[in-house]
Amino acid sequence: EPEVTQTPSHQVTQMGQEVILRCVPISNHLYFYWYRQILGQKVEFLVSFYNNEISEKSEIFDDQFSVERPDGSNFTLKIRSTKLEDSAMYFCASSEAGRGQPQHFGDGTRLSIL
Amino acid sequence: AQKITQTQPGMFVQEKEAVTLDCTYDTSDPSYGLFWYKQPSSGEMIFLIYQGSYDQQNATEGRYSLNFQKARKSANLVISASQLGDSAMYFCAMREGFMDSSYKLIFGSGTRLLVRP
Repeated sequence: EPEVTQTPSHQVTQMGQEVILRCVPISNHLYFYWYRQILGQKVEFLVSFYNNEISEKSEIFDDQFSVERPDGSNFTLKIRSTKLEDSAMYFCASSEAGRGQPQHFGDGTRLSIL
Repeated sequence: AQKITQTQPGMFVQEKEAVTLDCTYDTSDPSYGLFWYKQPSSGEMIFLIYQGSYDQQNATEGRYSLNFQKARKSANLVISASQLGDSAMYFCAMREGFMDSSYKLIFGSGTRLLVRP
């Protein structure tokens, strides 16, 4: 069964450094998302991406964050200058077109900022 | 106000018994969808079941069923014949139908289910 893959599974970075989280969504999916989950808390929406552009973003997704789909398969989340509070599990998700289509999540990247 | 409310932070169930996990939601959009996801201790998010606001029948997927009561704005997950592998965190999530270019999900705070042998 096709799945969303994320790399790396764990990233440790010094505060202030840039980090890029990578995702390969399911190949025929058209909608791509990033979510984050701070330890012990609920999953929070960051950004959605459709038709090669950001279609919606939350207030968490400030100027420090950016997303790219550099080729036909990868979808990346960049955090320009990491802060301690960026430590969280970051999930990539993708879905087909249609309101009833579930979002399929990757296994997540655990980001630890030191 | 919370869009998705899960009032049970933790639940216990005996193996082979059924359990209901509660979820209430708040939206003014007539078109919305409700999803349940399972998050085992390993951390991944696994899609379980979906209910659309216009669906006439309650959704079922194997041992999972959704008790959808639209007037009460509740979408409770029922797991029948619980197994030890069902021990996990369960999240209710809602998609509001405002934009066709984004189907973002809003998650509840989750319910941790522990199945006792």
